Amino acid sequence: AQSVAQPEDQVNVAEGNPLTVKCTYSVSGNPYLFWYVQYPNRGLQFLLKYITGDNLVKGSYGFEAEFNKSQTSFHLKKPSALVSDSALYFCAVRGNVRSGNTGKLIFGQGTTLQVKP
Amino acid sequence: GAGVSQSPSNKVTEKGKDVELRCDPISGHTALYWYRQRLGQGLEFLIYFQGNSAPDKSGLPSDRFSAERTGESVSTLTIQRTQQEDSAVYLCASSLARVAGYEQYFGPGTRLTVT
Repeated sequence: AQSVAQPEDQVNVAEGNPLTVKCTYSVSGNPYLFWYVQYPNRGLQFLLKYITGDNLVKGSYGFEAEFNKSQTSFHLKKPSALVSDSALYFCAVRGNVRSGNTGKLIFGQGTTLQVKP
Repeated sequence: GAGVSQSPSNKVTEKGKDVELRCDPISGHTALYWYRQRLGQGLEFLIYFQGNSAPDKSGLPSDRFSAERTGESVSTLTIQRTQQEDSAVYLCASSLARVAGYEQYFGPGTRLTVT
């Protein structure tokens, strides 16, 4: 079965410091991995995705994520946090349907990022 | 271009009433998804449509929930005999295809409150 775990309910970081939001996954076959951000009272916005290729993926607003197959992780990172980055972040995974997965996108429970000035 | 739109943005209904939520996907997107997000929780998959294929209804929580989609356009999610536990934000998303690495684009959601 496909699953995603975001072990931290909340991450606090000072503005200007690097940030990491953790995500681990479980899926049969090669995974497709996504990060979304949700601002208050807004829908989800796509940040970045890993499909294949380089393990370091760059996305919107200066975010990047590192795919680590051996650790089944896809942590979200940013070198220098901004107060405006404060939001709810979701990691999601989809397995390859040829490996017996359904093709559905499975989301983690979300991590609240709080960046303090 | 236009994104995914949903209506209404807010809906307050009495317990036992039926509600209908609407989603307009991005033009040309063949896949459409419905999710439910309860307060302080993650997204719960409900159903998805891909072209003319049979929809995946595996996430619908009970037979009070149903959804339809006309071709590759508008979708409606219907909740019959609403219960208080149905209170949540209902999110719709669309993508170019069900498989491969196409990301989903989300609408702003419909906030449903059952009193």
